[in-house]
Amino acid sequence: AQTVTQSQPEMSVQEAETVTLSCTYDTSESNYYLFWYKQPPSRQMILVIRQEAYKQQNATENRFSVNFQKAAKSFSLKISDSQLGDTAMYFCAFGETSGSRLTFGEGTQLTVNP
Amino acid sequence: KAGVTQTPRYLIKTRGQQVTLSCSPISGHRSVSWYQQTPGQGLQFLFEYFSETQRNKGNFPGRFSGRQFSNSRSEMNVSTLELGDSALYLCASSLSLSTPYEQYFGPGTRLTVT
Repeated sequence: AQTVTQSQPEMSVQEAETVTLSCTYDTSESNYYLFWYKQPPSRQMILVIRQEAYKQQNATENRFSVNFQKAAKSFSLKISDSQLGDTAMYFCAFGETSGSRLTFGEGTQLTVNP
Repeated sequence: KAGVTQTPRYLIKTRGQQVTLSCSPISGHRSVSWYQQTPGQGLQFLFEYFSETQRNKGNFPGRFSGRQFSNSRSEMNVSTLELGDSALYLCASSLSLSTPYEQYFGPGTRLTVT
């Protein structure tokens, strides 16, 4: 069974600054997907970024990028130029290559301060 | 294209009753997964349906069941409700089992059991 751990329950950052959210996971699979989801107060779960384990290149989506360290089983999210709208709960999730089951971490509540 | 819709959005039930929640996936999506979100347990996988067949099931008691119809719409049912079933129930849809990375979540159904 897969496990996902987010060791930072809460984080805060000033607007326009950069923040990094940590995530570690455990699996015996060699190929899989990793995701960061954002859940704002509206509770709508929004996909921020995804990484396929067989791709060595770190994924980037505009201000969001990841640092994927497969050997260390680490998958951190960097948010550059933080905006007030980035305030949300962020979940790291593990996905299998077959099927849609996601295993989520505990979440990190990020607050962006003006 | 319309997103994933869930009905009802809010529900209040009494302990011992049963409840049925509905999820309509994005048009053309054939896979639907359900998750339970609580403050104590976080996000937990309930089950996954593809082409009217349950493909995967999480570690939940038999009181939790689901089904998928030929139009890919899915329902989940909880019988003999307990106070601990109070949660946000999220469903997610994806095109097929081979595209797990393209999962889209609905807004959720907030169930309160009194």
